[in-house]
Amino acid sequence: DIQLTQSPSFLSASVGDRVTLTCRASENVINYLAWYQQKPGKAPNLLIYAASTLQGGVPSRFSGSGSGTEFTLTISSLQPEDFATYYCQQLSSYPITFGQGTRLDIK
Amino acid sequence: QITLEESGPTLMKPTQTLTLTCTFSGFSLSTNGVGVGWFRQPPGKALEWLALIYWDDDKRYSPSLDNRLTITRDTSKNQVSLTMTNMDPVDTATYSCAHKIGRGKPFDFWGQGTLVTVSS
Repeated sequence: DIQLTQSPSFLSASVGDRVTLTCRASENVINYLAWYQQKPGKAPNLLIYAASTLQGGVPSRFSGSGSGTEFTLTISSLQPEDFATYYCQQLSSYPITFGQGTRLDIK
Repeated sequence: QITLEESGPTLMKPTQTLTLTCTFSGFSLSTNGVGVGWFRQPPGKALEWLALIYWDDDKRYSPSLDNRLTITRDTSKNQVSLTMTNMDPVDTATYSCAHKIGRGKPFDFWGQGTLVTVSS
């Protein structure tokens, strides 16, 4: 199985901050990497797919980059609604796997 | 508009068999490339992929649960079902289904999930 390791696990930040979340894969996933945002009690919301493609309707302050084994999700200017948990997911091979998540809290 | 909704029992006893149904609208599982997957998330823990079925009846399972899972579809009813045998308290989680188009593509629409508690 391809392991995804997200860092940091927890992050405290302020509204307006620029933050970068990292996802490292144990094997090359090419660009079959997606990012999801999840708020408590809610379903995951797709933000980024193919490592860097913004899903329709997602604000442009979200961006993704990377390929192979190293990926990042950047939020350029945090908004109050961005405080949530973020998961990366690889779809390069089965089993489909997720990272353990990064919880983004308000400082 | 694509929607998915999970249904099934909320309380199970150990060793019982769980059957969940995902009823969807806004797409057809007969359409080229379409897939529906099942996931779970124990309280306070990360997401876990369980199984996936494609428009061509290709089925994939998580190896860690392979011998316990069966995914089926009923295209006439717009439903996908997941059966998990031999339930255990560690299987307590919110179970969700989600839509995707294309192998290698992400899951773009999700149901709200249903909490299944396993307790004696």
